[in-house]
Parts: sequence; C-alpha cells; structure tokens
Amino acid sequence: NAGVTQTPKFQVLKTGQSMTLQCAQDMNHNSMYWYRQDPGMGLRLIYYSASEGTTDKGEVPNGYNVSRLNKREFSLRLESAAPSQTSVYFCASSAQENTEAFFGQGTRLTVV
Amino acid sequence: KQEVTQIPAALSVPEGENLVLNCSFTDSAIYNLQWFRQDPGKGLTSLLLIQSSQREQTSGRLNASLDKSSGRSTLYIAASQPGDSATYLCAPNYGGATNKLIFGTGTLLAVQP
Repeated sequence: NAGVTQTPKFQVLKTGQSMTLQCAQDMNHNSMYWYRQDPGMGLRLIYYSASEGTTDKGEVPNGYNVSRLNKREFSLRLESAAPSQTSVYFCASSAQENTEAFFGQGTRLTVV
Repeated sequence: KQEVTQIPAALSVPEGENLVLNCSFTDSAIYNLQWFRQDPGKGLTSLLLIQSSQREQTSGRLNASLDKSSGRSTLYIAASQPGDSATYLCAPNYGGATNKLIFGTGTLLAVQP
C-alpha cells in the first residue's frame, strides 16, 4: 500500500545546478501538491495540480516549475538551485479539492 | 492574512496522561480542518479530518473538536503512550480551486515512559 512515493529521499546540489523531484501516487487521486517545510515556518504550498492537465502557483512558486505528467505523477523542477531552496519538500495528493490530503515521506534537499 | 497558531509549542507528559493540543486560526471561513502527526525525519500522517459542519471527529484514542466561529480546534489524546511522541500539525483548509491547507508550526509532544 504505497500511497504517495517521492524520489529521491536526499539530495545535495551545488548552486546553479538543476534537478527534478519526482512524485507518484497510486490512489487514483485527482489533485496533487508540492509543499516545502522550513524550520519555524510550517509547510508552504509551492504549486498544485487540481486535476490532470492543470497546474497553478501556490504561495511560494518562484524558482520552481512543475509538470503533471499524467494522473499518477507530478514532478517539481528546480532550474537553477539556490541556497534559499534548501528545505524538505513534500508531495501530497487528495481525491479532489477539499478532501483529505495524504503526504509522501519527503525529499531533503541541500543546496551548497 | 490566514495564520495558524499551535499552543503549546512543546509538551512533555508522563505515560498514561490525557492531553489536549490547541490550534487557532485567524480566518474562520474554512472547508475543513486536518490534524497530522509527523515523526522526526518523516512525512505527515493524516490523523483526522473534521468538516466545517462537524463539531467533533473521533478515531481510537484521538478526538478532534472544531469551533469554527471562534477559529479554534483541539486534539484530545487519551491515555498517552510513548509511541504518541511526535510533532502534531493542524491545517485548516480554505479550499477554492486548491486544497489550500495552511499549516501551523506544530506541537512537539514527548510522552515519557
């Protein structure tokens, strides 16, 4: 019973490098989300996809892009990583808007 | 601005105690509210979802209450166990086109054996 799966679990990048965080869910959910968690600030929404084929900005989208590849997969791309993007990134999904959200185990990203 | 405050920030109790975690939110126009637990270095586990029309929701030893008009929710944990040690997060959902969850910074709970 996998739920929401994120890869990789850990990553270290140099400033200016790019990378893509992968997320897949096996619950046939319509909506998917990317959050970041920073100490003392709680989780903040980066981007979301209400349904397959749509994506929208959340609270902190600058420096990120997303792709809803299909219903199962939602990726987050950092085109040119900056130290301010050091954080723990969480992917989440829900059956539809305003329903229970389920989270992955997170990706701990360090940008040096 | 929609903000969520969780009090206390940290709590240490002996095993077996009943305890209450508090959550307050500035904007009462919520669709629902979700409580999560987060273990160190792990993801968030959903504990309870309480709809805006509900007053209470129960799951095992957990009971969440919601007073939407006053912008408050509480999570009651009965007969606490060391395995309950974790950070507990409250997240009201302001909905719209997104599951717009606004998170507090959590209450770090330690249950001493």
